[in-house]
Amino acid sequence: EPEVTQTPSHQVTQMGQEVILRCVPISNHLYFYWYRQILGQKVEFLVSFYNNEISEKSEIFDDQFSVERPDGSNFTLKIRSTKLEDSAMYFCASRGLVSYNEQFFGPGTRLTVL
Amino acid sequence: AQSVTQPDIHITVSEGASLELRCNYSYGATPYLFWYVQSPGQGLQLLLKYFSGDTLVQGIKGFEAEFKRSQTSFNLRKPSVHWSDAAEYFCAVGGSAGGTSYGKLTFGQGTILTVHP
Repeated sequence: EPEVTQTPSHQVTQMGQEVILRCVPISNHLYFYWYRQILGQKVEFLVSFYNNEISEKSEIFDDQFSVERPDGSNFTLKIRSTKLEDSAMYFCASRGLVSYNEQFFGPGTRLTVL
Repeated sequence: AQSVTQPDIHITVSEGASLELRCNYSYGATPYLFWYVQSPGQGLQLLLKYFSGDTLVQGIKGFEAEFKRSQTSFNLRKPSVHWSDAAEYFCAVGGSAGGTSYGKLTFGQGTILTVHP
């Protein structure tokens, strides 16, 4: 069964450093999403991406964040200058064109900012 | 704005007992509703979903949920809980793409389920 994959599973970085989280969505999907979950809190929407551009973003998704689909398979989230409060689990999700918004989630990347 | 409330942060049941996890939503149109389960250190697995039609939906692992529009609820149930059901459960609401929405999901706070032997 096709699945969403994410790398790395765990990333440790120093405050102020740039990180790139990578996702490979399901191959025929067209909508892509990033969510994050701070430890002990709920899952929060960050951004959605469709047709090679951001379609919606939350207030969390400020200028420090960017997304990109550099080729036909990868979908990346970049944090330019990490802060302690960026420590969280980051989930990538994707869905097809006609899927009643059923999103398939990857296993997540745990980001730890020291 | 869409929102989800899961009033129970932590529920403990005995193995073999029945289970009901509560979820209330707020959404301006007909919602798409989901229940996800998350085991420690794992990702989100979809248990079941409601789009339209029959208000009682069946999911994986013996779970079911009932959509009640008048009560804006989508409670998750299981008649007999197994020890392997211990996990955190998230209710989520979203809509279809179109207009100003590209289908973002809004999640509740989650309910942690503990199962006693």
